[in-house]
Amino acid sequence: GDSVTQMEGPVTLSEEAFLTINCTYTATGYPSLFWYVQYPGEGLQLLLKATKADDKGSNKGFEATYRKETTSFHLEKGSVQVSDSAVYFCALIPSSNTGKLIFGQGTTLQVKP
Amino acid sequence: DTEVTQTPKHLVMGMTNKKSLKCEQHMGHRAMYWYKQKAKKPPELMFVYSYEKLSINESVPSRFSPECPNSSLLNLHLHALQPEDSALYLCASSQDGRGFVYETQYFGPGTRLLVL
Repeated sequence: GDSVTQMEGPVTLSEEAFLTINCTYTATGYPSLFWYVQYPGEGLQLLLKATKADDKGSNKGFEATYRKETTSFHLEKGSVQVSDSAVYFCALIPSSNTGKLIFGQGTTLQVKP
Repeated sequence: DTEVTQTPKHLVMGMTNKKSLKCEQHMGHRAMYWYKQKAKKPPELMFVYSYEKLSINESVPSRFSPECPNSSLLNLHLHALQPEDSALYLCASSQDGRGFVYETQYFGPGTRLLVL
């Protein structure tokens, strides 16, 4: 079945460090891919998305590129801030018309000053 | 505007109580969702309404009863809950809900429920 695998956390970085959170997926066809962020005590916010191969989603300095050949959608940011500390979820909607969001397990990011 | 609102923000209830969670969106979306999220886990889908009709029920116990009075409003009625039902309940909405791969779900802030 369709699935999403994220790197385990927590990921701990110093402020201004480069961030990569790995995400790979298993799905037939061309799913849509998403990154959601959940700040402490809050709901999920859509961070970025990509709907076809080689698309790059970007928002608030974060980027991710839909790589069909490696079935990946890694999240990157050039310089993290303390305010980026949160849980990041990679997710997909399969092309099989279920419309169901399939989430990875989430990666906790802690950024220290 | 991509806002989904949920009330209340926090709820404490006993196992014999009846309570309701409310969700509202004004984005013109025709699909609304309920998710349950336990600590340090991803959200789990409970129900989907598309065009005000229940389209997906993920085998949720009958002590959870969803209701969609119109396409902007979604309720979750709670009765005789168990302590293990304590969780963050998230509402989401999307354009259509009929399974299109391009559809984006927008989430509300959640209701944190504690069952004593």
